[in-house]
Amino acid sequence: KNEVEQSPQNLTAQEGEFITINCSYSVGISALHWLQQHPGGGIVSLFMLSSGKKKHGRLIATINIQEKHSSLHITASHPRDSAVYICAVFQRMDSNYQLIWGAGTKLIIKP
Amino acid sequence: NAGVTQTPKFQVLKTGQSMTLQCAQDMNHNSMYWYRQDPGMGLRLIYYSASEGTTDKGEVPNGYNVSRLNKREFSLRLESAAPSQTSVYFCASSDRGLGYEQYFGPGTRLTVT
Repeated sequence: KNEVEQSPQNLTAQEGEFITINCSYSVGISALHWLQQHPGGGIVSLFMLSSGKKKHGRLIATINIQEKHSSLHITASHPRDSAVYICAVFQRMDSNYQLIWGAGTKLIIKP
Repeated sequence: NAGVTQTPKFQVLKTGQSMTLQCAQDMNHNSMYWYRQDPGMGLRLIYYSASEGTTDKGEVPNGYNVSRLNKREFSLRLESAAPSQTSVYFCASSDRGLGYEQYFGPGTRLTVT
C-alpha cells in the first residue's frame, strides 16, 4: 500500500462545478504540500499546511491530522484549472526526513 | 527574476553516453533538489543539497552524480546513460529545506535509446 494515496486518479467536471481532491497518508507527518502540474509540465506549489485550513483565491486546502487526510477544493472551476494536482507529505523522524509524493490527480474542466 | 532554470529542455542519448543536466536558481535559496518523474508515478527524489557544499542521496540515486557548484547552481550527471533513465527531470529549490515550499524548474525531458 502506498504511503500517500490520492483520489480520484482522474476527474472530469463541467465549468463552474465545485471540485474536491483527496489525499490520505499512513505515516506521521510534519507538513503536507499541494502542488499543481500544468499540461505543459511546469510544477507550482499551491499550499503547505500542517493544520487547519488555507485559502488562496478559489483554492482551499484543509488537513485533518488525526484522520491523516487532506482535501483540496476548487470553487467555481474553470478550464484553466485543468492540471494534475499532487499531494506530498513531509515526514521528519529524528535527524531523518523525507518527502513522500502521491501519484497525482488529473483534473479536466470542460467549458 | 528567472526563478529556477534548467538546461537543456530536451535531450536524446544513446545507451552508455554521458551528460550533465544544469540547474540554476536566482532566489538565494539554500536547498536544491533533483527529481525524476515517470508516467503514472509520483516525483522521486534523486539527490538533494541542503546547503552549499553538501549533497545527500535521495530515494533513487543509483546511476547519477551531483555537484553543488555554488549557491546558485546544482548539476546532475549521468555517467553512462541507460534506457531506465528515460524520464522527465525536475530541479527545485527551497529556502529552508524539504519541508518547505519548493520552486520548480521547467523540466528536462530525457530519452535514452
